[in-house]
Amino acid sequence: SQQGEEDPQALSIQEGENATMNCSYKTSINNLQWYRQNSGRGLVHLILIRSNEREKHSGRLRVTLDTSKKSSSLLITASRAADTASYFCVAGANSKLTFGKGITLSVRP
Amino acid sequence: DAGVTQSPTHLIKTRGQQVTLRCSPKSGHDTVSWYQQALGQGPQFIFQYYEEEERQRGNFPDRFSGHQFPNYSSELNVNALLLGDSALYLCASSLGGTSYEQYFGPGTRLTVT
Repeated sequence: SQQGEEDPQALSIQEGENATMNCSYKTSINNLQWYRQNSGRGLVHLILIRSNEREKHSGRLRVTLDTSKKSSSLLITASRAADTASYFCVAGANSKLTFGKGITLSVRP
Repeated sequence: DAGVTQSPTHLIKTRGQQVTLRCSPKSGHDTVSWYQQALGQGPQFIFQYYEEEERQRGNFPDRFSGHQFPNYSSELNVNALLLGDSALYLCASSLGGTSYEQYFGPGTRLTVT
């Protein structure tokens, strides 16, 4: 299975703090993606990092990828209440995406 | 720019019945993937359609089938419904048979009683 497995399963932080979420996967990938899901906007693509990349930034998001350890992390800086959602690490290979169970992030105002 | 649309929004069916769900991809996209999301779980890949053919399939039985039309829209059919088929069914679109940066629709909530 290429399932991404996220850690922790739930995270609660204060607004303004940084949130770090980790993910591990099992087999070879050609990309690793992070998605966010909430009731208001559904499932939304956040960022994609290819297997030959080590770090990528997009706004307040920073993702790292360590293919030797089959792991990735997502950092959200200066969190906002609107960041409250479920976050999924998604292993991509051969056009197929395999989602993990997700991390529930709660940002307290 | 129209995003991914799905119909219907909600559906209630009885065990043993058949259901058809519909999806229109984001404008300019030619690839459609279907996912099943049970409550509290991540989406599970069902299959992907590109150039009107099923290109990839997840671990789902043959009761799940699909179709892609020349205008790139797609249908998901589920036969002989089971209680366990109750879930949110998500459609995602992308380009060129890839899974890069998929755009998801709002989903169809299927309840099987």
